[in-house]
Amino acid sequence: EMVMTQSPATLSVSPGERATLSCRASQTIIAGNLAWYQQKPGQAPRLLIYGASTRATGIPARFSGSGSGTEFTLTISNLQSEDFAVYYCQQYNNWPPWTFGQGTKVEIK
Amino acid sequence: QLQLEESGPGLVKPSETLSLTCTVSGGSISSANYYWGWIRQTPGKGLEWIADIYYSGRTFDNPSLKSRVTISIDTSKNQFSLKLSSVTAADTAVYYCASHNSGWYFDYWGLGTLVTVSS
Repeated sequence: EMVMTQSPATLSVSPGERATLSCRASQTIIAGNLAWYQQKPGQAPRLLIYGASTRATGIPARFSGSGSGTEFTLTISNLQSEDFAVYYCQQYNNWPPWTFGQGTKVEIK
Repeated sequence: QLQLEESGPGLVKPSETLSLTCTVSGGSISSANYYWGWIRQTPGKGLEWIADIYYSGRTFDNPSLKSRVTISIDTSKNQFSLKLSSVTAADTAVYYCASHNSGWYFDYWGLGTLVTVSS
Protein backbone atom coordinates (compact mmCIF):
# COMPACT_ATOMS: atom_id res chain seq x y z
CA GLU A 1 0.00 0.00 0.00
CA MET A 2 1.28 3.44 -0.91
CA VAL A 3 1.51 5.69 2.13
CA MET A 4 0.89 9.40 1.67
CA THR A 5 2.46 11.76 4.21
CA GLN A 6 1.37 15.38 4.40
CA SER A 7 3.21 18.20 6.10
CA PRO A 8 2.80 20.23 8.11
CA ALA A 9 -0.16 18.96 10.08
CA THR A 10 -1.24 22.54 10.72
CA LEU A 11 -0.27 25.68 8.85
CA SER A 12 -1.02 29.13 10.28
CA VAL A 13 -1.29 31.77 7.58
CA SER A 14 -2.59 35.32 7.43
CA PRO A 15 -5.25 36.26 4.87
CA GLY A 16 -3.63 37.47 1.66
CA GLU A 17 -0.50 35.40 2.18
CA ARG A 18 0.62 32.23 0.43
CA ALA A 19 0.25 28.71 1.83
CA THR A 20 2.47 25.86 0.68
CA LEU A 21 1.36 22.33 1.53
CA SER A 22 3.42 19.20 0.95
CA CYS A 23 2.49 15.64 0.16
CA ARG A 24 5.07 12.85 -0.01
CA ALA A 25 4.42 9.40 -1.44
CA SER A 26 6.14 6.25 -0.18
CA GLN A 27 6.62 5.11 -3.79
CA THR A 28 7.04 6.89 -7.09
CA ILE A 29 3.86 8.20 -8.64
CA ILE A 30 3.86 8.20 -12.42
CA ALA A 31 1.89 10.37 -14.80
CA GLY A 32 1.00 12.76 -11.99
CA ASN A 33 -1.67 10.43 -10.59
CA LEU A 34 -2.29 12.64 -7.58
CA ALA A 35 -5.26 14.72 -6.48
CA TRP A 36 -5.87 17.39 -3.85
CA TYR A 37 -9.11 17.98 -1.95
CA GLN A 38 -10.41 20.71 0.33
CA GLN A 39 -12.69 19.89 3.25
CA LYS A 40 -14.53 22.35 5.44
CA PRO A 41 -16.20 21.39 8.74
CA GLY A 42 -19.35 19.35 8.24
CA GLN A 43 -18.81 19.08 4.50
CA ALA A 44 -17.57 16.43 2.12
CA PRO A 45 -14.15 16.78 0.52
CA ARG A 46 -14.16 18.85 -2.67
CA LEU A 47 -11.87 18.07 -5.59
CA LEU A 48 -9.40 20.88 -6.22
CA ILE A 49 -6.60 19.43 -8.34
CA TYR A 50 -6.11 16.22 -10.32
CA GLY A 51 -3.23 15.02 -12.43
CA ALA A 52 -1.01 16.76 -9.86
CA SER A 53 -1.53 20.17 -11.48
CA THR A 54 -4.89 20.43 -13.29
CA ARG A 55 -7.51 22.49 -11.52
CA ALA A 56 -10.98 20.96 -11.33
CA THR A 57 -13.95 22.79 -12.77
CA GLY A 58 -14.67 26.05 -10.99
CA ILE A 59 -11.53 26.07 -8.85
CA PRO A 60 -9.93 29.53 -8.65
CA ALA A 61 -6.53 30.12 -10.19
CA ARG A 62 -5.02 30.90 -6.78
CA PHE A 63 -4.92 27.13 -6.21
CA SER A 64 -2.02 25.45 -7.99
CA GLY A 65 -0.49 22.00 -7.81
CA SER A 66 2.98 20.86 -8.74
CA GLY A 67 5.45 18.08 -8.24
CA SER A 68 6.43 14.68 -9.54
CA GLY A 69 7.87 11.40 -8.40
CA THR A 70 7.31 11.28 -4.68
CA GLU A 71 7.06 14.97 -3.80
CA PHE A 72 4.00 17.09 -4.51
CA THR A 73 2.92 20.57 -3.48
CA LEU A 74 -0.34 22.47 -3.27
CA THR A 75 0.09 26.23 -3.26
CA ILE A 76 -2.68 28.62 -2.32
CA SER A 77 -1.85 32.20 -3.23
CA ASN A 78 -3.51 35.25 -1.72
CA LEU A 79 -5.39 33.24 0.88
CA GLN A 80 -9.04 34.15 1.19
CA SER A 81 -11.23 33.62 4.24
CA GLU A 82 -13.02 30.74 2.52
CA ASP A 83 -9.73 28.89 1.99
CA PHE A 84 -9.21 28.09 5.66
CA ALA A 85 -9.93 24.38 5.71
CA VAL A 86 -8.28 20.95 5.75
CA TYR A 87 -6.53 19.77 2.59
CA TYR A 88 -5.90 16.17 1.59
CA CYS A 89 -3.83 14.56 -1.12
CA GLN A 90 -4.82 11.26 -2.72
CA GLN A 91 -2.78 8.95 -4.94
CA TYR A 92 -4.41 6.98 -7.70
CA ASN A 93 -1.25 5.47 -9.09
CA ASN A 94 -1.04 2.23 -7.09
CA TRP A 95 -4.16 0.23 -6.53
CA PRO A 96 -5.51 -1.32 -4.47
CA PRO A 97 -6.10 0.66 -2.44
CA TRP A 98 -6.43 4.31 -3.37
CA THR A 99 -4.89 6.14 -0.41
CA PHE A 100 -5.14 9.59 1.14
CA GLY A 101 -2.79 11.67 3.20
CA GLN A 102 -3.75 12.49 6.77
CA GLY A 103 -4.46 16.12 5.92
CA THR A 104 -3.07 19.60 6.52
CA LYS A 105 -5.21 22.12 8.36
CA VAL A 106 -4.79 25.69 7.12
CA GLU A 107 -5.79 28.03 9.92
CA ILE A 108 -5.92 31.77 10.35
CA LYS A 109 -2.79 33.24 11.88
CA GLN B 1 -23.87 18.01 -12.59
CA LEU B 2 -23.98 14.80 -10.63
CA GLN B 3 -25.49 14.71 -7.16
CA LEU B 4 -25.05 11.81 -4.78
CA GLU B 5 -26.90 11.15 -1.55
CA GLU B 6 -26.23 8.49 1.05
CA SER B 7 -28.99 6.86 3.05
CA GLY B 8 -29.19 4.17 5.69
CA PRO B 9 -29.30 3.53 9.44
CA GLY B 10 -27.21 5.79 11.61
CA LEU B 11 -26.79 3.16 14.31
CA VAL B 12 -25.66 -0.43 13.87
CA LYS B 13 -25.01 -3.01 16.58
CA PRO B 14 -21.62 -4.70 16.89
CA SER B 15 -21.26 -7.91 14.83
CA GLU B 16 -24.16 -6.89 12.58
CA THR B 17 -24.05 -5.67 8.98
CA LEU B 18 -23.88 -2.00 8.02
CA SER B 19 -25.98 -1.23 4.93
CA LEU B 20 -25.91 2.03 3.00
CA THR B 21 -27.33 3.16 -0.33
CA CYS B 22 -26.20 5.97 -2.59
CA THR B 23 -28.74 7.55 -4.92
CA VAL B 24 -27.33 9.28 -7.97
CA SER B 25 -29.11 12.12 -9.74
CA GLY B 26 -28.13 14.41 -12.59
CA GLY B 27 -26.68 11.54 -14.58
CA SER B 28 -26.99 7.86 -15.30
CA ILE B 29 -25.30 5.31 -13.07
CA SER B 30 -25.04 3.18 -16.23
CA SER B 31 -22.69 5.67 -17.86
CA ALA B 32 -19.56 4.01 -19.16
CA ASN B 33 -17.63 7.07 -18.02
CA TYR B 34 -18.04 6.51 -14.29
CA TYR B 35 -17.02 4.24 -11.52
CA TRP B 36 -18.82 4.62 -8.21
CA GLY B 37 -17.22 4.33 -4.82
CA TRP B 38 -17.47 4.42 -1.06
CA ILE B 39 -15.05 6.21 1.25
CA ARG B 40 -15.20 6.59 5.01
CA GLN B 41 -13.68 9.10 7.38
CA THR B 42 -12.72 8.73 11.02
CA PRO B 43 -10.79 11.09 13.30
CA GLY B 44 -8.16 8.41 13.83
CA LYS B 45 -7.58 6.95 10.36
CA GLY B 46 -8.68 9.88 8.21
CA LEU B 47 -10.07 9.16 4.76
CA GLU B 48 -10.16 5.49 3.80
CA TRP B 49 -11.28 4.15 0.45
CA ILE B 50 -13.60 1.17 0.84
CA ALA B 51 -14.69 -0.08 -2.59
CA ASP B 52 -15.61 0.81 -6.17
CA ILE B 53 -18.13 -0.57 -8.65
CA TYR B 54 -18.77 -0.16 -12.36
CA TYR B 55 -22.21 -0.29 -13.99
CA SER B 56 -21.31 -3.72 -15.34
CA GLY B 57 -20.96 -5.00 -11.80
CA ARG B 58 -17.17 -5.11 -11.78
CA THR B 59 -15.96 -4.37 -8.27
CA PHE B 60 -12.78 -3.53 -6.38
CA ASP B 61 -12.38 -3.33 -2.64
CA ASN B 62 -9.79 -2.42 -0.04
CA PRO B 63 -7.88 -5.51 1.12
CA SER B 64 -7.60 -4.02 4.61
CA LEU B 65 -11.29 -4.66 5.15
CA LYS B 66 -10.66 -8.38 4.87
CA SER B 67 -13.51 -9.28 2.54
CA ARG B 68 -16.20 -7.84 4.83
CA VAL B 69 -17.34 -5.58 1.99
CA THR B 70 -20.08 -6.16 -0.54
CA ILE B 71 -20.78 -3.44 -3.09
CA SER B 72 -23.64 -3.71 -5.55
CA ILE B 73 -25.40 -1.60 -8.16
CA ASP B 74 -29.04 -1.22 -9.20
CA THR B 75 -29.13 0.53 -12.54
CA SER B 76 -32.95 0.57 -12.58
CA LYS B 77 -32.96 2.76 -9.47
CA ASN B 78 -29.76 4.69 -10.26
CA GLN B 79 -28.36 3.50 -6.95
CA PHE B 80 -25.41 1.61 -5.61
CA SER B 81 -25.03 0.09 -2.19
CA LEU B 82 -22.52 -0.93 0.44
CA LYS B 83 -22.70 -3.72 2.96
CA LEU B 84 -20.03 -4.09 5.62
CA SER B 85 -20.35 -7.19 7.74
CA SER B 86 -19.24 -8.03 11.30
CA VAL B 87 -18.90 -4.40 12.29
CA THR B 88 -17.10 -3.21 15.40
CA ALA B 89 -16.69 0.19 17.03
CA ALA B 90 -13.74 0.76 14.69
CA ASP B 91 -16.20 0.96 11.79
CA THR B 92 -17.86 4.04 13.29
CA ALA B 93 -17.29 6.73 10.68
CA VAL B 94 -18.79 9.19 8.27
CA TYR B 95 -19.44 7.23 5.10
CA TYR B 96 -19.34 8.99 1.73
CA CYS B 97 -20.33 7.82 -1.69
CA ALA B 98 -18.48 9.37 -4.61
CA SER B 99 -17.82 9.07 -8.31
CA HIS B 100 -14.72 8.59 -10.46
CA ASN B 101 -14.85 10.09 -13.94
CA SER B 102 -12.03 9.58 -16.44
CA GLY B 103 -9.51 9.30 -13.67
CA TRP B 104 -9.29 7.53 -10.35
CA TYR B 105 -9.75 10.69 -8.34
CA PHE B 106 -13.15 11.40 -6.78
CA ASP B 107 -14.88 14.23 -8.57
CA TYR B 108 -18.34 14.23 -6.97
CA TRP B 109 -19.16 13.35 -3.37
CA GLY B 110 -22.29 12.87 -1.36
CA LEU B 111 -22.78 14.86 1.82
CA GLY B 112 -21.83 11.89 3.95
CA THR B 113 -23.70 9.97 6.62
CA LEU B 114 -22.53 9.19 10.14
CA VAL B 115 -22.78 5.55 11.11
CA THR B 116 -22.19 4.67 14.73
CA VAL B 117 -21.53 1.10 15.82
CA SER B 118 -22.81 0.63 19.33
CA SER B 119 -25.02 -1.69 21.33
